[in-house]
Amino acid sequence: EVQLVESGGGLVQPGGSLRLSCAVSRFTFSNYWMTWVRQTPGKGLEFVANIDRDGSVKNYVDSVKGRFTISRDNARNSLFLQMNSLRAEDTAVYFCARDPGSSAFDLWGQGTVVTVS
Amino acid sequence: DVVLTQSPLSLPVTLGQPASISCRSSQSLVHSNGNTYLNWFRQRPGQSPRRLIYMVSNRDSGVPDRFSGSGSGTDFTLNITRVEADDVGLYYCMQGTHWPTFGQGTKLEIK
Repeated sequence: EVQLVESGGGLVQPGGSLRLSCAVSRFTFSNYWMTWVRQTPGKGLEFVANIDRDGSVKNYVDSVKGRFTISRDNARNSLFLQMNSLRAEDTAVYFCARDPGSSAFDLWGQGTVVTVS
Repeated sequence: DVVLTQSPLSLPVTLGQPASISCRSSQSLVHSNGNTYLNWFRQRPGQSPRRLIYMVSNRDSGVPDRFSGSGSGTDFTLNITRVEADDVGLYYCMQGTHWPTFGQGTKLEIK
């Protein structure tokens, strides 16, 4: 079964850092753009960042620019999100998602919880 | 950013009855290539979202044909012909034509 498994979430103080990982299996990781999406009770689902197949193109929502960095390791079938200078408003469930094109998000991980407090 | 407005936000439905969710966009979702990138997702409690419909009307693999998507431009609809207990959850529309954005979600529950 095709899988995406996130890890790395946790409780962190404001100003702190976390690194999220997303391990994928049973599909050719390097063929897909990948995305991080977060979900909060207040703002719902929000696109955070995406990265192209070889890691050369990266896009970020304005609220995380300069603080978050998306990256990938195609040899290890893994996606990452380095989150620095964390704020209370970054508290959310973070999902990685596969993007077959045009932000179609056809496959999602189970999510990892980030709490900034 | 494109704002997607769903209605209703709460949808109590009797088993076996139809259900319909509207998604209206603040801008046209027709891409310059002629395609419309409007998708529908369902999220069951405690689970991640699952895509049901892509590009307005294409059902994903394994999605029952009770589910259908329609619409164009700025107005889109997800229809369920006969609601089953398994359909309970939060339904989201999402557009990928512009910077990706999601609707606020519609909670479908059984009456």
